[in-house]
Amino acid sequence: QVQLQQSGPGLVKPSQTLSLTCAISGDSVSSKSAAWNWIRQSPSRGLEWLGRTYYRSKWYNNYAVSVKSRITINPDTSKNQFSLQLNSVTPEDTAVYYCARAVGYFHQWGQGTLVTVSS
Amino acid sequence: QSVLTQPPSASGTPGQRVTISCSGSSSNIGSNTVNWYQQLPGTAPKLLIHSNNQRPSGVPDRFSGSKSGTSASLAISGLQSEDEADYYCAAWDGSLNGWLFGGGTKLTVL
Repeated sequence: QVQLQQSGPGLVKPSQTLSLTCAISGDSVSSKSAAWNWIRQSPSRGLEWLGRTYYRSKWYNNYAVSVKSRITINPDTSKNQFSLQLNSVTPEDTAVYYCARAVGYFHQWGQGTLVTVSS
Repeated sequence: QSVLTQPPSASGTPGQRVTISCSGSSSNIGSNTVNWYQQLPGTAPKLLIHSNNQRPSGVPDRFSGSKSGTSASLAISGLQSEDEADYYCAAWDGSLNGWLFGGGTKLTVL
């Protein structure tokens, strides 16, 4: 059974970098059939897919246009996890952030992390 | 504003059948499969229907999905009080090269 466990700070100051990690159990971040995603949810923006990383003989990334200039998603094969970095955050980045495993659909989700951007 | 359009709310009485629509375009629903998620308050979304009409193990057969052209629907028959939740559709968009979600439909069981 695949489980995802998120970790990271719940408060980030404006202009700083939001960093979250998603630890995987029951699968490998190097799986050739899964993709590892970050999604956020806020009252103003609803559910918003941010991006993904996946391995198909080499590593690939896709990012949402809305955050493409500020986002990095990296796999960590040594710890079987993946991370999200979102730079230059503003209060509009305040949301619940989820990691999710996709196999053509989002099958497993992390527990969610409320990240508030405030000074 | 979501690219996949859902009604913001829906309602029904116990035992009734309710449908929730999801409208998109040729670059998303028109050319890719649709998935549906159920979200209870304070929890992460849960996969309800994938690949237009496939129920994961454990999802009651009261839930069904369909797709036609650039629109999809989720139907819930024999409505129960525990079905009160938010429902979201999602599809891959080939033009944007990313996933899209609908704005969500809040289902109230009267």
